[in-house]
Amino acid sequence: DTGVSQNPRHKITKRGQNVTFRCDPISEHNRLYWYRQTLGQGPEFLTYFQNEAQLEKSRLLSDRFSAERPKGSFSTLEIQRTEQGDSAMYLCASSLGDPTNEKLFFGSGTQLSVL
Amino acid sequence: DQQVKQNSPSLSVQEGRISILNCDYTNSMFDYFLWYKKYPAEGPTFLISISSIKDKNEDGRFTVFLNKSAKHLSLHIVPSQPGDSAVYFCAASASRLNYGGSQGNLIFGKGTKLSVKP
Repeated sequence: DTGVSQNPRHKITKRGQNVTFRCDPISEHNRLYWYRQTLGQGPEFLTYFQNEAQLEKSRLLSDRFSAERPKGSFSTLEIQRTEQGDSAMYLCASSLGDPTNEKLFFGSGTQLSVL
Repeated sequence: DQQVKQNSPSLSVQEGRISILNCDYTNSMFDYFLWYKKYPAEGPTFLISISSIKDKNEDGRFTVFLNKSAKHLSLHIVPSQPGDSAVYFCAASASRLNYGGSQGNLIFGKGTKLSVKP
């Protein structure tokens, strides 16, 4: 499978715990995005990387959230001191970064439930 | 406030007929628009896109129309098939405002659930 891979698919945690998600993008894609989706809403942009550089962060990304993309390959999204409001589907997407016709390819997401 | 609005939460269409999904936006800086399809337990799948310099883009059974003066776009699916049943998201980007000109910082609507009945 050469698509975007996300692990784990599901994560249940207790409030206050830290969680980390992993995303493996399509290998030749230089841009990687994180989105969050809650029930009944469309995905919301969180942050994006071009290679290993984190270029943009949404105001939704509080200081409890941190994302990395070491060496411009896979990426991790960590949430510290989780809150019930963090419960959502976390989606990763990658793209080639075509400047005039950028298409994002999404993974299947990590469903986080904070109890 | 929602910058991208899909006012119909659901749409039901007979197989073989046309499906028309609508989307309105408020931000005049949006210059790139996309439609994504989503099945349960999967991530969104890219369908079709259109730049603001065009008013129509076609790909097989899917056509997207853009009316900039009305800030409205629509997705036409002809003919509709039962496998098209999914949630459809409209998304928009203001690439000129994004670092590096990224078109991937997308604002999504809430989606429209399409049901195509055999």
